[in-house]
Amino acid sequence: QVKLLQSGAELVKPGASVKLSCKTSGFTFSTSYMSWLKQVPGPSIEWIGWIYAGDGGTNYNQKFKGKATLTVDKSSSTAYMDLSSLTSEDAAVYFCAMDNYGWFAYWGQGTLVTVSS
Amino acid sequence: EIVLTQSPTTMAASPGEKVTLTCRASSSVSYMHWYQQRSGTSPKLWIYETSKLASGVPNRFSGSGSGTSYSLTINSMETEDAATYYCQQGSSYPLTFGSGTKLEIK
Repeated sequence: QVKLLQSGAELVKPGASVKLSCKTSGFTFSTSYMSWLKQVPGPSIEWIGWIYAGDGGTNYNQKFKGKATLTVDKSSSTAYMDLSSLTSEDAAVYFCAMDNYGWFAYWGQGTLVTVSS
Repeated sequence: EIVLTQSPTTMAASPGEKVTLTCRASSSVSYMHWYQQRSGTSPKLWIYETSKLASGVPNRFSGSGSGTSYSLTINSMETEDAATYYCQQGSSYPLTFGSGTKLEIK
């Protein structure tokens, strides 16, 4: 069955960067769109962007351009998201999800990112 | 950006009660999708393309709507339905979510 396994919780210092991973199985990764999403309690869920695993093409939410960089490794069916210059506003749970024509059929379990010195 | 407004923000329903959650879009969208999220877990796709139930979703759930007004209905509330429900539009970038309706059991 479809599985999306995300990397563990991160504690990062302000100004630092972090790379989150999402290892997938159970579907054809190389022809899939993978999205990343951010959830902070209260303000709800925000879509960060998607990456097409076939050719690495991306589509970002303008709000996250310069903050997030999406990549994939087809050989390991893994999606990655780099978050740079972290501030307290970046503290959240981040999810990867399989993007199916604009909706999200499968989600990872989430990665908690805490930003603190 | 299309803003999705969900109502009510929070509600409580008794077992067996009919429940309707509403999602209004700031501009017309082709479809609405819904997710269920329980505390401490990731969202689960619940209804897609306005009215199609995701795999494993009980048929007491239904979805309807068009244009800027959509709804999720539970025909007869059960204890396991207590959760937060989010609507999401995929018609226009950036993809956006509503702020959720927290549904509790009375």
